[in-house]
Amino acid sequence: GAGVSQTPSNKVTEKGKYVELRCDPISGHTALYWYRQSLGQGPEFLIYFQGTGAADDSGLPNDRFFAVRPEGSVSTLKIQRTERGDSAVYLCASSLNLAGGAMVGELFFGEGSRLTVL
Amino acid sequence: QKEVEQNSGPLSVPEGAIASLNCTYSDRVSQSFFWYRQYSGKSPELIMSIYSNGDKEDGRFTAQLNKASQYVSLLIRDSQPSDSATYLCAVPYNAGNMLTFGGGTRLMVKP
Repeated sequence: GAGVSQTPSNKVTEKGKYVELRCDPISGHTALYWYRQSLGQGPEFLIYFQGTGAADDSGLPNDRFFAVRPEGSVSTLKIQRTERGDSAVYLCASSLNLAGGAMVGELFFGEGSRLTVL
Repeated sequence: QKEVEQNSGPLSVPEGAIASLNCTYSDRVSQSFFWYRQYSGKSPELIMSIYSNGDKEDGRFTAQLNKASQYVSLLIRDSQPSDSATYLCAVPYNAGNMLTFGGGTRLMVKP
């Protein structure tokens, strides 16, 4: 596709359930990022992939959160035992980075997945 | 801790006025700075980038950078109601691999 695609656009779940959020980046973009944005706040970094590997997962809040990118393209963010505090918009972005990882330009964001935990 | 600070606003300006948005950052080694615009319910989109001290102009937008003061600003001339949005300041860290965002400033341009 032309842009970053995220599914689902909206997800309502109950406390304690398992959730998967999917991101399909722009073709050819080696870097993929997950951010989380709460109402009235800026995007908060979660994890960054360069190719298939997680180059930096320091933003994941705890071990209930996990993300994969097995073939270096599509990524899935997985949240176990969801809590009400996990409710937010989860943004995926991709970028064309240099081989060493440095960004050469902008992050292109998807429209986000809005997660509501009841 | 890498920090990017912005006044949350809202900043309200009349149509046609200059809107001035400010941002301070804590990482002295940062070399590039970005302004993203986010309309309500939409995702952020890049509108300006600046790498050197001084001013950079692009149409009605001017980014200003002062590395000594760790300060970056965005000026919007001839503000239009369509400029009403949240403006996010972003600074790379971790050798430039990712962006840290400020909390954003909400701008309201009144007709």
